[in-house]
Amino acid sequence: QVQLVQSGAEVKKPGASVKLSCRASGYTFSNYFLHWVRQAPGQGLEWVGIITPTTGDTTYAQRFQGRVTLTRDTSTSTVYMELSSLTSDDTAVYYCARENESCDYWGQGTLVTVSS
Amino acid sequence: QAGLAQPPSVSKALRQTATLTCTGNSNNVGYQGAAWLQQFQGHPPKLLSYRNNNRPSGISERFSASRSGNTASLTITGLQPEDEADYYCSAWDNSLSAWVFGRGTKLTVL
Repeated sequence: QVQLVQSGAEVKKPGASVKLSCRASGYTFSNYFLHWVRQAPGQGLEWVGIITPTTGDTTYAQRFQGRVTLTRDTSTSTVYMELSSLTSDDTAVYYCARENESCDYWGQGTLVTVSS
Repeated sequence: QAGLAQPPSVSKALRQTATLTCTGNSNNVGYQGAAWLQQFQGHPPKLLSYRNNNRPSGISERFSASRSGNTASLTITGLQPEDEADYYCSAWDNSLSAWVFGRGTKLTVL
């Protein structure tokens, strides 16, 4: 069965960076784009970016340009999201999601807390 | 980035029908249609429909989606207590090259 398993919760100080992982299984990793979406406490969903597993090509939401980097490791079917220059506004649950016409499978989410 | 417009809340009685709306523009909803997601507190979103009215396997026929122009709708018939959740619409925006979401509608079943 399709699974997206994300790394554990993180606590970071303002100005730091965080790198999250999302390991895919149960399907052919190279066949589907992967998105990252975040959700601040009590708020809605916000798109961060997308990566093409075969080529590593990425597209980022404008508000994260210059601060986010998506990468992948095809040998382990894992995608990574690194977000730098963290502020308290980056406190959120970060999800990875597979695209199959739309986001049909989601990871369990990783809580990132930014606090001094 | 521009988002999609959803009413913040909708309340309907048990066993009634609820219709949730999502308004975008010709670059997103009007371009390729919308997807609908259901989310319970503390859980990841779950895909209910995509490209207007395609349901993933396992999704109840009580959930149906449609589109008219730049507005997408999700209709939930025979409302049950377990339908109480947040519902989000989403679409790829061709002009922004970005995935856009609505702010979500909280559905309450009375």
